[in-house]
Amino acid sequence: DSGVTQTPKHLITATGQRVTLRCSPRSGDLSVYWYQQSLDQGLQFLIQYYNGEERAKGNILERFSAQQFPDLHSELNLSSLELGDSALYFCASTPGLASGELFFGEGSRLTVL
Amino acid sequence: AQRVTQPEKLLSVFKGAPVELKCNYSYSGSPELFWYVQYSRQRLQLLLRHISRESIKGFTADLNKGETSFHLKKPFAQEEDSAMYYCALRSFGGNTPLVFGKGTRLSVIA
Repeated sequence: DSGVTQTPKHLITATGQRVTLRCSPRSGDLSVYWYQQSLDQGLQFLIQYYNGEERAKGNILERFSAQQFPDLHSELNLSSLELGDSALYFCASTPGLASGELFFGEGSRLTVL
Repeated sequence: AQRVTQPEKLLSVFKGAPVELKCNYSYSGSPELFWYVQYSRQRLQLLLRHISRESIKGFTADLNKGETSFHLKKPFAQEEDSAMYYCALRSFGGNTPLVFGKGTRLSVIA
């Protein structure tokens, strides 16, 4: 499958811990987006990378950080986890900077206990 | 600020009945509007965008700038239309990330 792949699919951890979510974009896509979907919330934009550089930032908490590596995969790091961080985290990719058609992964479901 | 409002969390219709999923937006500039859909056990994917002005799977959506709306319509609902639908907005021609609404779950009853 050459689509967007996210790992892990499910993750359960405790408050105060740190986790890393990984995303591999579609082959050839240079842009990676991270979205958070909490209970009763829509998809909240967190951050976008293009070819290794940060290009746009949404309401991403200071406890969260991300990066895109030379092979174009991206990681979202969540630290000092709180109960409210429990959510579905989606990664999406596009070929360029300005496409309205995002290709989504299946998401990583994080549960903080 | 950009905002997308989908007033209905759940919409249930009978097979063969017309469907209208509502989307209202707030944006001071020129918007570009999209509908995304997530079928059961599938990924979120683009259904249609207003600039294409096309019908996809029988669905159409017209951008009404006066009413700041982009409602999704289909004259005759099918069971396979049951899914989660998200309206999304970004700056037209710009490089801004998509802003999504909270979504509406459409349930088509046989």
